[in-house]
Amino acid sequence: SQQGEEDPQALSIQEGENATMNCSYKTSINNLQWYRQNSGRGLVHLILIRSNEREKHSGRLRVTLDTSKKSSSLLITASRAADTASYFCATEDGTSGSRLTFGEGTQLTVNP
Amino acid sequence: DVKVTQSSRYLVKRTGEKVFLECVQDMDHENMFWYRQDPGLGLRLIYFSYDVKMKEKGDIPEGYSVSREKKERFSLILESASTNQTSMYLCASSLIVRSSPLHFGNGTRLTVT
Repeated sequence: SQQGEEDPQALSIQEGENATMNCSYKTSINNLQWYRQNSGRGLVHLILIRSNEREKHSGRLRVTLDTSKKSSSLLITASRAADTASYFCATEDGTSGSRLTFGEGTQLTVNP
Repeated sequence: DVKVTQSSRYLVKRTGEKVFLECVQDMDHENMFWYRQDPGLGLRLIYFSYDVKMKEKGDIPEGYSVSREKKERFSLILESASTNQTSMYLCASSLIVRSSPLHFGNGTRLTVT
């Protein structure tokens, strides 16, 4: 069953601009994770934010989590053409251990 | 770095064939997973395993089985391949049960004709 839903489904921006992707989910969670997938490849883990955390940074990535609204956002600052990829959120709920449920992803295109 | 290796990038099989997809990880991870990825449906969990010889059904186990005889290897088996099993199959592993990132292989694109 789908838990996370990303918004927008597709995003096209120019190099240097910031990209913001959103994720909403339905049930209580232990943590929320963001992954990136280049075309035709496997997913790469970007960042994990626990349910008791509100914000986390990693390089040009900033993730926020609002458990009251059951939503998260991923911000990529100063985007580059190499950031072009699909981005997925995944939630680990409170009962299923390490079983992650993925959304359908946001396709980000960064134009040079 | 963790390496998860899937034996084939592309595979073409005929309807009714028995298909084996192999996955090996090199970091002594406890947990291993098989997902399939389809346009508009995202990633869906087929089976997972927390330990050797242990398996648990995911969200869409029908038509599939798995085998984990050694810690590093997790095989997905399509008992009798059907055209609706044409998909991208992704194997992943994680170190511990909770709050642990998944490490994915590069995927196997299976076409059943």
